[in-house]
Amino acid sequence: GDSVTQMEGPVTLSEEAFLTINCTYTATGYPSLFWYVQYPGEGLQLLLKATKADDKGSNKGFEATYRKETTSFHLEKGSVQVSDSAVYFCALSGIYNQGGKLIFGQGTELSVKP
Amino acid sequence: GAVVSQHPSRVICKSGTSVKIECRSLDFQATTMFWYRQFPKQSLMLMATSNEGSKATYEQGVEKDKFLINHASLTLSTLTVTSAHPEDSSFYICSARDGTRDSNQPQHFGDGTRLSIL
Repeated sequence: GDSVTQMEGPVTLSEEAFLTINCTYTATGYPSLFWYVQYPGEGLQLLLKATKADDKGSNKGFEATYRKETTSFHLEKGSVQVSDSAVYFCALSGIYNQGGKLIFGQGTELSVKP
Repeated sequence: GAVVSQHPSRVICKSGTSVKIECRSLDFQATTMFWYRQFPKQSLMLMATSNEGSKATYEQGVEKDKFLINHASLTLSTLTVTSAHPEDSSFYICSARDGTRDSNQPQHFGDGTRLSIL
């Protein structure tokens, strides 16, 4: 079945460091891919998405490119801030799913120190 | 746009009580809503898919009689935890998808409900 694997956390970085959170997936066909962010005690917010191969999603300085050849959707940011500290979830919505059901990775906690 | 409101944000109640959580899509019509449960430091576990005007589809291992889901309108779904016990304590999150647009629309999440059963 469809699945998503993220790099394990927690990831601790200094402010202005470069961020990469790896995400790979297994799915039939061409799923849609998403990154969600969860701040402490809150629900999830959509950060960015890509719906087809080679699409690049971007938002708030974060980017991720849909790589069909490596089945990856790695999240990157050139310069992180303390306010980026949160848990990041990679997710996919497969083409054969029921009504847009999401498959989540396990989440990666990011902690940015001043 | 695409705001999902979840209420209440926090509930503390005695064992044996039934608790209702509401999930509303404020600016779009949600033909499908989803209910998740999240344990500390873990990912979201899908409990059920709620379809407007029909019965919810529960994931394997989720008790239908324990977690009652109603999706009576295009903007409201409710989850009722019946006769709650301490093991039901968790963070419950709903999400909704704009059913009037193409199938690649993302899910939009509520802020979650922290349920604590004493």
